[in-house]
Amino acid sequence: GDSVTQMEGPVTLSEEAFLTINCTYTATGYPSLFWYVQYPGEGLQLLLKATKADDKGSNKGFEATYRKETTSFHLEKGSVQVSDSAVYFCALSPTYNQGGKLIFGQGTELSVKP
Amino acid sequence: EPEVTQTPSHQVTQMGQEVILRCVPISNHLYFYWYRQILGQKVEFLVSFYNNEISEKSEIFDDQFSVERPDGSNFTLKIRSTKLEDSAMYFCASRMGAAGGYNEQFFGPGTRLTVL
Repeated sequence: GDSVTQMEGPVTLSEEAFLTINCTYTATGYPSLFWYVQYPGEGLQLLLKATKADDKGSNKGFEATYRKETTSFHLEKGSVQVSDSAVYFCALSPTYNQGGKLIFGQGTELSVKP
Repeated sequence: EPEVTQTPSHQVTQMGQEVILRCVPISNHLYFYWYRQILGQKVEFLVSFYNNEISEKSEIFDDQFSVERPDGSNFTLKIRSTKLEDSAMYFCASRMGAAGGYNEQFFGPGTRLTVL
């Protein structure tokens, strides 16, 4: 079945460091891909999305490119801030699924130190 | 800004008891979802609901689970006889739904269910 795999956390970085969180997926067809973020004590928030191959999603300095050839959707940010400390979830919505369910990776905790 | 709300934030119950988790989706949304996250594990899809009926459910969503939209605002998840392994964070989500394209799912803050 469809699945998402993320790199293990926690990831600890210093402020202004470069961030990469790896995400790969297994799916039939052409799923839509997402990154969600969960700040402490809050629900999941959509960070960015891409709905077809080679699309780049971006928001708040974060970027991810839908790479069908490598079945990947890695999250990057050039310079992280303390306020970016959160748990990041990669997710997909299967092509065949009109109900729009999301299949999540296990989440990667990011901690940014001043 | 509209948001999805969930109550209670934390529910503690004894094994075998029934629990009802409540959610108020965003008012003009048409699709509703429940997900759960067992501590340290993935967020897992449980069920989707549209037009007053279940549109899809996972293998986790067995006969012990049910969902209902009893009025125009609430969306509930009932677990009839809780088991220890039902302990998890339960997230409600909703999306507007429209022909063509994808609409963002908006998530509530979650209800932490602890079964003793």
